Amino acid sequence: GNSVTQMEGPVTLSEEAFLTINCTYTATGYPSLFWYVQYPGEGLQLLLKATKADDKGSNKGFEATYRKETTSFHLEKGSVQVSDSAVYFCALPSQAGTALIFGKGTTLSVSS
Amino acid sequence: ETGVTQTPRHLVMGMTNKKSLKCEQHLGHNAMYWYKQSAKKPLELMFVYSLEERVENNSVPSRFSPECPNSSHLFLHLHTLQPEDSALYLCASSQSQGFEQYFGPGTRLTVT
Repeated sequence: GNSVTQMEGPVTLSEEAFLTINCTYTATGYPSLFWYVQYPGEGLQLLLKATKADDKGSNKGFEATYRKETTSFHLEKGSVQVSDSAVYFCALPSQAGTALIFGKGTTLSVSS
Repeated sequence: ETGVTQTPRHLVMGMTNKKSLKCEQHLGHNAMYWYKQSAKKPLELMFVYSLEERVENNSVPSRFSPECPNSSHLFLHLHTLQPEDSALYLCASSQSQGFEQYFGPGTRLTVT
């Protein structure tokens, strides 16, 4: 079935550093791919998505490109802020299409 | 109210109590989900409802009983829980199964 693997955390960065969180997937066909973010004490929020190969999703300075050659959807941001400290989840639809499958989450901590 | 709301936000209950968690979505979606989020564990999909029919039940113990009376409301009835059931319970909705999901803020459940 479909699955997603994302890098283990925590990731600790200084403000204005470059961020990459790796995500690779296994899937039948080319499903949509998603990044979600969870701030402390809150539910998950959709951060960005890409619906087909070579698409780039972007939001709030974050970007991720759907790369079918490497089956990857890495999350990047050029200059992180303290307010970006959160847990980030990569996700894709299950093979049956009934729900989304989430990665284990990567905790990002940004210090000033 | 907008988006997905959950009540209560915090709940403490004894192992012999019966309580219910409520989720309401104001997005006109047709699918709703319950997830369990425990510390140090991946997000666990518990139940999926589509058009008020349960379409997925991931080996969840019978002490958790879902109810979906209409497409806007989802309940999780709890009885004789165990301490290991303490977790953040997240509700989500989507336009249809497998589409991007929108989450509520969660109910933090503590079983004493």
